[in-house]
Amino acid sequence: QLQLQESGPGLVKPSETLSLTCTVSGGSISSSSYYWGWIRQPPGKGLEWIGSIYYSGSTYYNPSLKSRVTISVDTSKNQFSLKLSSVTAADTAVYYCARHSYGAAPAHYWGQGTLVTVSS
Amino acid sequence: EIVMTQSPATLSVSPGERATLSCRASQSVSSNLAWYQQKPGQAPRLLIYGASTRATGIPARFSGSGSGTEFTLTISSLQSEDFAVYYCQQYNNWLLTFGPGTKVDIK
Repeated sequence: QLQLQESGPGLVKPSETLSLTCTVSGGSISSSSYYWGWIRQPPGKGLEWIGSIYYSGSTYYNPSLKSRVTISVDTSKNQFSLKLSSVTAADTAVYYCARHSYGAAPAHYWGQGTLVTVSS
Repeated sequence: EIVMTQSPATLSVSPGERATLSCRASQSVSSNLAWYQQKPGQAPRLLIYGASTRATGIPARFSGSGSGTEFTLTISSLQSEDFAVYYCQQYNNWLLTFGPGTKVDIK
């Protein structure tokens, strides 16, 4: 059974960098069949795709966040990570990691999500 | 960017009744459309992809239809566990976008 688990600080100061890691268990992140993505949801609001990565390191980002986002993969640890720089209160959200099929595709598996609050 | 809209914003339905949710894309997404269900405090769950294919383990009372710019999610007979928020998502290109959601609540 595939499981994804987000981890990282729940509180980040404005102007700093938000860093989260998604640990994948029950399957290999190096599978050629999948992309691994990050999606966020501000409290009480809708879903926003942040970006996705292939095990080779190929990435796609939401243009609205691209200048501040870096997604990376560590196949040896079966993990992928999100860094979002220069955060503001508008970046306060539940951050989900997810797996979707190769290419632009829906997410069949999701982590439980982790709330990150941006506040001084 | 392909903008997704959903209607209605809230749908009040009695248990056992049929619910019909709509999703519209600002330009054609072919059949590259998914539906998700989200309950409070939970991650979204994939219900439908390819506009009409049920994901693994999804009951047959959920069905999807449409192509191009107009899509529909139908829940044939609402069960208590179906009261939730439903999102559509297009994946026609690498700027994946979601609709704002339709909340299905108990009438």
